[in-house]
Amino acid sequence: ETGVTQTPRHLVMGMTNKKSLKCEQHLGHNAMYWYKQSAKKPLELMFVYSLEERVENNSVPSRFSPECPNSSHLFLHLHTLQPEDSALYLCASSQETSSYNEQFFGPGTRLTVL
Amino acid sequence: KNQVEQSPQSLIILEGKNCTLQCNYTVSPFSNLRWYKQDTGRGPVSLTIMTFSENTKSNGRYTATLDADTKQSSLHITASQLSDSASYICVVSSINAGNNRKLIWGLGTSLAVNP
Repeated sequence: ETGVTQTPRHLVMGMTNKKSLKCEQHLGHNAMYWYKQSAKKPLELMFVYSLEERVENNSVPSRFSPECPNSSHLFLHLHTLQPEDSALYLCASSQETSSYNEQFFGPGTRLTVL
Repeated sequence: KNQVEQSPQSLIILEGKNCTLQCNYTVSPFSNLRWYKQDTGRGPVSLTIMTFSENTKSNGRYTATLDADTKQSSLHITASQLSDSASYICVVSSINAGNNRKLIWGLGTSLAVNP
């Protein structure tokens, strides 16, 4: 295992639901990330947190709301999603945000929006 | 435009055979290049990272090469095993004038190793 856990592993929700994805890292890292992985597309970086502060937000719709209460936990709150939001959502962590430092990924949450 | 292109898109080989995956990039300025392996239902796991000055780097049966002049990298897998079946993703890091780093991800090559 990579030391990064994500729950739930699978989630099916309607467009009017509110749900949250959870990520926890046990590696002592100080940077955490949310990625979206869709079929036929490269990984898309959504949010970056460094020392619990959001340092990057890549034009993500407001229906996705991240939260980083401490350096070990990261949440992605979801509300009024669209079917095109169905994808694999990956959480990652690293020691600092330097691109030389390896990002360790969780197994992902497979999200289906009906 | 910064881009990373991988080929082939998919590949099927027999167990025990070797294979080579390609990554071409048009990223500038270049910082480093990393190969990830992503098993089905799992997140990517780093295999190797290469900087500008490195030509070859090995990790067990995986050997990555980098030609910074032609902006090409390859990942060679020797004596393939069934567990090598996965998607292999090339990621190139760029640094802009403000020293902000950006990762440009490829689409990956889907490798199937058959018995």
